[in-house]
Amino acid sequence: DTAVSQTPKYLVTQMGNDKSIKCEQNLGHDTMYWYKQDSKKFLKIMFSYNNKELIINETVPNRFSPKSPDKAHLNLHINSLELGDSAVYFCASSQDQGHGNTIYFGEGSWLTVV
Amino acid sequence: GQQVMQIPQYQHVQEGEDFTTYCNSSTTLSNIQWYKQRPGGHPVFLIQLVKSGEVKKQKRLTFQFGEAKKNSSLHITATQTTDVGTYFCADSSNTGKLIFGQGTTLQVKP
Repeated sequence: DTAVSQTPKYLVTQMGNDKSIKCEQNLGHDTMYWYKQDSKKFLKIMFSYNNKELIINETVPNRFSPKSPDKAHLNLHINSLELGDSAVYFCASSQDQGHGNTIYFGEGSWLTVV
Repeated sequence: GQQVMQIPQYQHVQEGEDFTTYCNSSTTLSNIQWYKQRPGGHPVFLIQLVKSGEVKKQKRLTFQFGEAKKNSSLHITATQTTDVGTYFCADSSNTGKLIFGQGTTLQVKP
């Protein structure tokens, strides 16, 4: 069983469209994240949720809206997609929000905006 | 804001050669974690260093945390093609947010 699973793995869409990426973790963790990895492999945190509550929002455009229906799920909806949104989006989870926790990443969702 | 600088960005080595990546911060690091991302894969946790001057080994990998907790290094002895990938250091801030270095991408020529 995959610990952190996200879908879809690949997504190619046109500018202006709206798309969602879903994420689920079966580790029983309290905290979930969305990270964005650009073409230079730089990993940057976007959002963090602890037990369904937003705790970190890293000045991401409000076209990005995360939703956590329960602590095992954290979905990412993106409105009005732009070319610059093309990247790999990683969902991740950790035991809780304390520092020093190991972060477990999903396999990534490759988003290409054309 | 807090930044973690990692060098080099890329490293090409011949199989059997050693490899080192360095992580530096202008501020004291809470602790340092290292992750490996294989090509096309996702980052996978390797190790965490907590104490000043700490050294940990995993087979051919040696991880060090500086005495001042402002730098860390990962050294691979006698690289193999399976070592190919991008190695990230990451600092866990007080809020639990991981700040990643830019990563070092290692290529190994057989």
